[in-house]
Amino acid sequence: GQQVMQIPQYQHVQEGEDFTTYCNSSTTLSNIQWYKQRPGGHPVFLIQLVKSGEVKKQKRLTFQFGEAKKNSSLHITATQTTDVGTYFCAGNNAGNMLTFGGGTRLMVKP
Amino acid sequence: GAGVSQSPRYKVAKRGQDVALRCDPISGHVSLFWYQQALGQGPEFLTYFQNEAQLDKSGLPSDRFFAERPEGSVSTLKIQRTQQEDSAVYLCASSLVSDSGNTIYFGEGSWLTVV
Repeated sequence: GQQVMQIPQYQHVQEGEDFTTYCNSSTTLSNIQWYKQRPGGHPVFLIQLVKSGEVKKQKRLTFQFGEAKKNSSLHITATQTTDVGTYFCAGNNAGNMLTFGGGTRLMVKP
Repeated sequence: GAGVSQSPRYKVAKRGQDVALRCDPISGHVSLFWYQQALGQGPEFLTYFQNEAQLDKSGLPSDRFFAERPEGSVSTLKIQRTQQEDSAVYLCASSLVSDSGNTIYFGEGSWLTVV
């Protein structure tokens, strides 16, 4: 079945440093979604990417979808303590079932 | 309601006990999903409903797991004869339409601990 891998599993950064998490799917995706989960909370939808090579920005967050629609990345510029949480990518391959990556847990030192 | 509501928020069950977890999706949402999230892992798909029809139950780990949505709104996930490996957060999610790629809204989850 479809597998979605995410790296790194954990990332510690100093406040103000940049952060990137990478997502790779074993199969071509129709779209990819990104979620943020705060400790003790539930996944909250951030964004969806659909087109090959698509790049979307949300303030300090930049999301990319690879040309082959099998990989994606999330980059945060100048991290803040409010960015703390686990970031999940979730691949959708033309069905309604999202396959989540294992997540990247971001910790920010003030 | 304003969001996806799940109950109970926390449940401690003795091994072998049956449990029922309830999900109230956002009003009018056609699609409803159940996910299981173990500690430190990403959510894993269990089952999917479109209105009252269960279209995909490929993620249910065993025949001890059963889900229903009889009137196309509230859904219940039932786990029979709970085992320790069932300990996890059970997340319910809903989306407005059934097309793939629509925004999915998660509830806060039901935290199940089997002792």
